[in-house]
Amino acid sequence: NAGVMQNPRHLVRRRGQEARLRCSPMKGHSHVYWYRQLPEEGLKFMVYLQKENIIDESGMPKERFSAEFPKEGPSILRIQQVVRGDSAAYFCASSGGRGRGTSGSEQYFGPGTRLTVT
Amino acid sequence: AQTVTQSQPEMSVQEAETVTLSCTYDTSESDYYLFWYKQPPSRQMILVIRQEAYKQQNATENRFSVNFQKAAKSFSLKISDSQLGGAAMYFCAYRDNYGQNFVFGPGTRLSVLP
Repeated sequence: NAGVMQNPRHLVRRRGQEARLRCSPMKGHSHVYWYRQLPEEGLKFMVYLQKENIIDESGMPKERFSAEFPKEGPSILRIQQVVRGDSAAYFCASSGGRGRGTSGSEQYFGPGTRLTVT
Repeated sequence: AQTVTQSQPEMSVQEAETVTLSCTYDTSESDYYLFWYKQPPSRQMILVIRQEAYKQQNATENRFSVNFQKAAKSFSLKISDSQLGGAAMYFCAYRDNYGQNFVFGPGTRLSVLP
């Protein structure tokens, strides 16, 4: 019963390169959330997706960042032309859905991807 | 917009003793969920305990219990019998019944002293 999986765990990119972070939700989960954690800070919401749909991207920077969750395969968070300020830990979480009840309320987190921009 | 505040950036506790971590939040909703997550040095986010706002009874989970004061919008975490392996960042989080994402507090770094 695999949990949320993220890869790579560590990613080093030079300024101007592209970063692709992958997230496979927990089995049976169709809701994926991406969060960013800067050093010594809490997690900040970026985007919420269901299969083939972006539901809420209010926390995502308008430029250079994009996310998708295709019908088949993992969710991808893509950062184009990375800058040093993008260095952070990026966490993916999944849930069974919205609303009341265990399946709707809890989010299960992956181990995170630590992005370092040199 | 909802906000979550943790007023203690750092706390320490002696092994086997009890410690309480504070959390307050701001919301106009009446139906929501509150969570405490633990993040050890491995950086994995681990769910510690969950509280539904419509339940008056405080949640408990082994050595962890909460003091949920809905009127005061307070949600503190009590850790009993602190263990050396328990050193971690502890995050309080809020989620309403209609929204999707969590709102996290800034965290409290807990050290357990021998």
